[in-house]
Amino acid sequence: QQPVQSPQAVILREGEDAVINCSSSKALYSVHWYRQKHGEAPVFLMILLKGGEQKGHDKISASFNEKKQQSSLYLTASQLSYSGTYFCGTASGAQKLVFGQGTRLTINP
Amino acid sequence: DAGVTQSPTHLIKTRGQQVTLRCSPKSGHDTVSWYQQALGQGPQFIFQYYEEEERQRGNFPDRFSGHQFPNYSSELNVNALLLGDSALYLCASSSPQQFTQYFGPGTRLTVL
Repeated sequence: QQPVQSPQAVILREGEDAVINCSSSKALYSVHWYRQKHGEAPVFLMILLKGGEQKGHDKISASFNEKKQQSSLYLTASQLSYSGTYFCGTASGAQKLVFGQGTRLTINP
Repeated sequence: DAGVTQSPTHLIKTRGQQVTLRCSPKSGHDTVSWYQQALGQGPQFIFQYYEEEERQRGNFPDRFSGHQFPNYSSELNVNALLLGDSALYLCASSSPQQFTQYFGPGTRLTVL
């Protein structure tokens, strides 16, 4: 079952914050976040494992609520380089990832 | 430390032909997964190889097949190409101890 991401698209000005959500109808073991720029491969951002932990580096962080089967990605004080399409990939056990449809983030100066 | 590499970068084929795509995993990784990404969509899981065997398979027809070699590199074969097979094919590698999958640059396949 494909996870549902929201919003589908968001436009920000540089320095503003964004939250991208990912919801699954299946019990999850892990949630993986990637960013993909046009014409390029997805780049790994972070992985959250069952246990409800929150991870982060620099101004990008994420949380995982396993009871609600939801994850959120937080982008703080966005930079132009944050533009791209963000995908969450969910796994219910083995390493097969099921990706959402993506959230297109545009950062304007 | 070389990342995941894929070849070729681009490929143009006609309907009915067959194609082989190649992937070399990141150093230290022994598991290779293949994904198909249509324009504007998220990657869709095709199958995963570990210890030269197909470990998991997504919802793709038997026209899609693969192989993993003793050096952990992998091939994806698609037979009887259809127009709908046009997509970006991504290879991702990982190790059993870690769940993180790292993607290669992809092969853009166009079927005419």
